[in-house]
Amino acid sequence: EIVLTQSPATLSLSPGERATLSCRASQSVSSYLAWYQQKPGQAPRLLIYDASNRATGIPARFSGSGSGTDFTLTISSLEPEDFAVYYCQQRSNWPPAYTFGQGTKLEIK
Amino acid sequence: QVQLQESGPGLVKPSGTLSLTCAVSGGSISSSNWWSWIRQPPGKGLEWIGEIYHSGSTNYNPSLKSRVTISVDKSKNQFSLKLSSVTAADTAVYYCASLGYCSSTSRYPYFDYWGQGTLVTVSS
Repeated sequence: EIVLTQSPATLSLSPGERATLSCRASQSVSSYLAWYQQKPGQAPRLLIYDASNRATGIPARFSGSGSGTDFTLTISSLEPEDFAVYYCQQRSNWPPAYTFGQGTKLEIK
Repeated sequence: QVQLQESGPGLVKPSGTLSLTCAVSGGSISSSNWWSWIRQPPGKGLEWIGEIYHSGSTNYNPSLKSRVTISVDKSKNQFSLKLSSVTAADTAVYYCASLGYCSSTSRYPYFDYWGQGTLVTVSS
């Protein structure tokens, strides 16, 4: 089973600052990694797929990078609505399974 | 745009069976998507439960496989989850989600549409 480890657990920043969130896989997942945003009381929302592609309707301030085992989600200039929990996710080929990281909480400083 | 809506009992007794249904609207369950269940214990992270294709093919989380059954009803455009022998550890918000290919070059699908989630509490 591939384990995804996210860091930091909590990130405290101010609006307008740049956020950098990390996700490390226990073995290579190539570029098959996604990022999701979850706000309190809401379902997660797909932000980034295939490591670096923005999903439909996602603002350009969100970007993803990485391949293999190390991935990064960057928010270039934080807006008030960006404070939320972020999860990375990958799919294993065999057996077919999906795993999520434990999440990074992005909070207002 | 695809919309998903979970329904089912919010309270299940220990050792009983949790049963939920996800109604799909705005699209056909017989499309190329897979359909999935994910859960989130209060204050914790996300756990994938399993997935189903409209043909009936399924894949389950190995840690839950012995207790999970996911089925599809194409005539009603919905799919369902049954989780047996539940304990307090199964208390969670349960989400249904679609797995869609976000581009023509994507090798794997991603969770592109989600239901709003339903809280299921296991308690006597």
